[in-house]
Amino acid sequence: DIVMTQGALPNPVPSGESASITCQSSKSLLHSNGKTYLNWYLQRPGQSPQLLIYWMSTRASGVSDRFSGSGSGTDFTLKISSVEAEDVGVYYCQQFLEYPRTFGAGTKLELK
Amino acid sequence: EVQLVESGGSLVQPGGSLKLSCVASGFTFSNYWMDWVRQTPGKSLEWIGEINTDGSKTNYAPSIKDRFTISRDNAKSTLYLQMSNVKSDDTAIYYCTRKGYWGQGVMVTVSS
Repeated sequence: DIVMTQGALPNPVPSGESASITCQSSKSLLHSNGKTYLNWYLQRPGQSPQLLIYWMSTRASGVSDRFSGSGSGTDFTLKISSVEAEDVGVYYCQQFLEYPRTFGAGTKLELK
Repeated sequence: EVQLVESGGSLVQPGGSLKLSCVASGFTFSNYWMDWVRQTPGKSLEWIGEINTDGSKTNYAPSIKDRFTISRDNAKSTLYLQMSNVKSDDTAIYYCTRKGYWGQGVMVTVSS
């Protein structure tokens, strides 16, 4: 299975500051078609996860442009510019290149 | 508006069976692959499996293979998860998902 390893945030993050969440995969998620098979989700307290980013860097519909995804084949970053109260929660990366699909353990963002 | 509404969660004894349902609305259900994902208490997300648009193909996580079965009824816009020989490790919130959308989840507790 592809193992997804997420980094921690230096919580709490001051409101208005930027935050970067890292994710590393045990195998390259870059397909021969040029697409990178990585999703980012946010799970706010008491809610279901919501899709933020797919194909490593494409924002899902309705997602604020304060969220951006980048990376290589195995190292990825979700950047949140100007953190707001609504960004609090747990962020997950997920690979969908191979079966079984696997998630990272999550990175918690707390606001100062 | 896309909606996914799970039902069928309950307390079940180890070794028992349970069938979860997910009613979809707001989109053409028969056009989409559907997934089940679970979240154990206080832990990360685990992909369970998926089914293709006409129900002829499924893929499962090794942890539940041969115990869980995913099926669908496109006429009823409903996705199912048949769980058998359940174990305490199957205690979790179960989510029905479609690319970009998640249901609110349903709780399954396995305990004697």
